[in-house]
Amino acid sequence: NAGVMQNPRHLVRRRGQEARLRCSPMKGHSHVYWYRQLPEEGLKFMVYLQKENIIDESGMPKERFSAEFPKEGPSILRIQQVVRGDSAAYFCASSRGHRETQYFGPGTRLLVL
Amino acid sequence: KNEVEQSPQNLTAQEGEFITINCSYSVGISALHWLQQHPGGGIVSLFMLSSGKKKHGRLIATINIQEKHSSLHITASHPRDSAVYICAAGPNTGNQFYFGTGTSLTVIP
Repeated sequence: NAGVMQNPRHLVRRRGQEARLRCSPMKGHSHVYWYRQLPEEGLKFMVYLQKENIIDESGMPKERFSAEFPKEGPSILRIQQVVRGDSAAYFCASSRGHRETQYFGPGTRLLVL
Repeated sequence: KNEVEQSPQNLTAQEGEFITINCSYSVGISALHWLQQHPGGGIVSLFMLSSGKKKHGRLIATINIQEKHSSLHITASHPRDSAVYICAAGPNTGNQFYFGTGTSLTVIP
């Protein structure tokens, strides 16, 4: 049973480009969480999704950021018109049910030049 | 003030020492999590607990709900335990986790 998969592991973008981060949860998990870890800072919650539904996006910046978890395929975190301040590690976690143990992916390190 | 506070921020220990990392939280929780983040950046969930004590190998996690405090203990520490240990509170209302800023542990051979 493969763990949580994230790709790409590293992503470099220039200011103004779009970044797409993908997360495939563990088999049997239908709950996905996205977190951001800024340099020298702790993890921050961004968004919580179940299949086809956004449950809680209270941690998402109001503009440029969006997330989806379609019926088929991975969850996607999309950042439009990236700025240097978006440079961070983005972690995805999945769980079987809400408030159950979350299993983390290896993260995607985004660098905006 | 953060909802989750950890101490110490940095900890250096000699191999074999007993280590304690503390976590205090201010929110009502459904569960408290201890995570380990290795230098390469990957995160592993060590414990999820809502009461009492859990043990896994040389790691022990305890929680006192009344005092809103949890501790992570490492017995017979080893250099491979060197990592950042993060406390995360899963609140009993709402969906988001609150994370501590982490304790950076270095175990010297």
